[in-house]
Amino acid sequence: GENVEQHPSTLSVQEGDSAVIKCTYSDSASNYFPWYKQELGKGPQLIIDIRSNVGEKKDQRIAVTLNKTAKHFSLHITETQPEDSAVYFCAASIPGGTSYGKLTFGQGTILTVHP
Amino acid sequence: GAVVSQHPSRVICKSGTSVKIECRSLDFQATTMFWYRQFPKQSLMLMATSNEGSKATYEQGVEKDKFLINHASLTLSTLTVTSAHPEDSSFYICSAAGGAPYNEQFFGPGTRLTVL
Repeated sequence: GENVEQHPSTLSVQEGDSAVIKCTYSDSASNYFPWYKQELGKGPQLIIDIRSNVGEKKDQRIAVTLNKTAKHFSLHITETQPEDSAVYFCAASIPGGTSYGKLTFGQGTILTVHP
Repeated sequence: GAVVSQHPSRVICKSGTSVKIECRSLDFQATTMFWYRQFPKQSLMLMATSNEGSKATYEQGVEKDKFLINHASLTLSTLTVTSAHPEDSSFYICSAAGGAPYNEQFFGPGTRLTVL
């Protein structure tokens, strides 16, 4: 099955700096790559996603890039703010068959933005 | 985005009792719902996938007789933890997907289960 590796496990930045989180996946059939933000005691919230027919997607301060050849994708947050502090998870999904829509998650990155 | 609710948000029960958790998609029809379990400082682990009107598909290592899943309608799925034990204490999260061709999942707020 699919395996997703996420790095770093913790990331500490100063307010205003950029933050980058990277993930690699193992199954070349994966075609959907969402990123989730999870605050303490809450469910994950989808912040951005990308599909395999696109190389980059941007939404205000958040961007995601995908390299299908290398099987890795990254989350970029610019102009970080203290409220960006949370746990971020990447995930990958394989279409079709019995695993349709099933997400495999990375291990998570604890992002701390210091004022 | 789509809204998914869970009830209750937290529950404390005695060992040996059963607990039911509800997951509802409030503004869309969810053809597929997923149940996850998350231990402190860990990632989400998929327990099972349920499609409306059919039996749930459980991940390897998840006991289907202990974690009963019912997906009776396009807006409601329930997870029942039967004969709960302290090791079942965890954060249970559901998600809902609206079907092809995209795989977006929208997550509920989670249920904190504590078994004494």
